[in-house]
Amino acid sequence: SAVISQKPSRDICQRGTSLTIQCQVDSQVTMMFWYRQQPGQSLTLIATANQGSEATYESGFVIDKFPISRPNLTFSTLTVSNMSPEDSSIYLCSAKLAGHEQYFGPGTRLTVT
Amino acid sequence: QKEVEQDPGPLSVPEGAIVSLNCTYSNSAFQYFMWYRQYSRKGPELLMYTYSSGNKEDGRFTAQVDKSSKYISLFIRDSQPSDSATYLCASYGQNFVFGPGTRLSVLP
Repeated sequence: SAVISQKPSRDICQRGTSLTIQCQVDSQVTMMFWYRQQPGQSLTLIATANQGSEATYESGFVIDKFPISRPNLTFSTLTVSNMSPEDSSIYLCSAKLAGHEQYFGPGTRLTVT
Repeated sequence: QKEVEQDPGPLSVPEGAIVSLNCTYSNSAFQYFMWYRQYSRKGPELLMYTYSSGNKEDGRFTAQVDKSSKYISLFIRDSQPSDSATYLCASYGQNFVFGPGTRLSVLP
């Protein structure tokens, strides 16, 4: 298994600012993912973050809005840029182990005012 | 058609009941199947992980996969109020695909 931590756990931000969310895994993993989840909804994949290469973004998500870093095999960051109220959501990072199991962090609850 | 379909519920059962949660999927390439439990305001927690068809049991939980009918099930025996959560099924072939989740309430 894997234990994943995220910082911050929640934040309230003003429109037009940016927030960087950190994700730390307790073991080395090849693939990490960033998801968004609206209250009561399922998971929407934002991007896949592989160490040593550019992140791969899903349709509807762009690097200028959600830049991702993956400096090593245990850490990743997601930045939500130029925020608007529509960006208010829960942001989750996850990691895929070699056996295709995926583990999630506790999430970051973002409110944009 | 969505790749993974799941009845969103909500599903309410009395304490002690057997709960059956179900998903169907459309992609024959899916080989790995997972069930996650998500409590309110928490991240999804991996409950069960299975490969291909068959059953897997862990305590009160049994995961069942029938690849011939593309059907995934999670059974919870002797359900407890602490089982009240949203349950998400997921499949993996070349990428992960999640169902929308079923909200379960176990009433004392």
